[in-house]
Amino acid sequence: DIQMTQSPSSLSASVGDGVTITCRASQNIANYLNWYQQKPGKAPKVLICGASSLQNGVPTRFSGSGSGTDFTLTISSLQPEDFATYFCQQTFTPSWTFGQGTKVEIK
Amino acid sequence: QVQLQESGPGLVKPSETLALTCSVSGGSIRSYYWGWIRQPPGKGLEWIGNIDSIGKSDYKSSLKSRVTISLDTSKNQFSLKLNSVTAADTAVYYCAKISDGGYRHYYMDVWGKGTKVTVSS
Repeated sequence: DIQMTQSPSSLSASVGDGVTITCRASQNIANYLNWYQQKPGKAPKVLICGASSLQNGVPTRFSGSGSGTDFTLTISSLQPEDFATYFCQQTFTPSWTFGQGTKVEIK
Repeated sequence: QVQLQESGPGLVKPSETLALTCSVSGGSIRSYYWGWIRQPPGKGLEWIGNIDSIGKSDYKSSLKSRVTISLDTSKNQFSLKLNSVTAADTAVYYCAKISDGGYRHYYMDVWGKGTKVTVSS
């Protein structure tokens, strides 16, 4: 199975800060990469599919980029509701995998 | 608006079979692909498997020998069965609807609320 490695595992930031989370695949996955946000006790919510396509209703402060093996999720200006855990997911192969998650906490 | 609801036992004994159902409302099970995901306590998401609208399934390699996902079109439901469970299978189990963003860029756009399953004697 393709391994997905996110960094950092956690970060602390303040409201208004810009934040970047990276996701690295163990092999080329083209742009078959999704990003999800999960808040405590809740199901995940998809933010971005195809590495860079923002889902309907997701604020434009979220953006995704990358292809091949290296991907980033950027939040341009953190808002209070953005403090959550973020997961990447590859769907390049029939056996999908998630990254281990990045927890974004309030500084 | 498709909505999903997981159901099944919250407690399963070691070596027995975990069986969960996902009930689909607001859409036909024949129109989409569907998936199961789990999350052990305090840990990340683990993809378990998917099933397409005609019943073809794919599974996580390490679970393939123990897992079956199937459709019940008469009830508009799909199900998960995981055999020979151990404590390591304790998790919140989610079902999800899969959409195609184009060129087979699949993503999970609707999730159930999740159901907690504990494996213990």
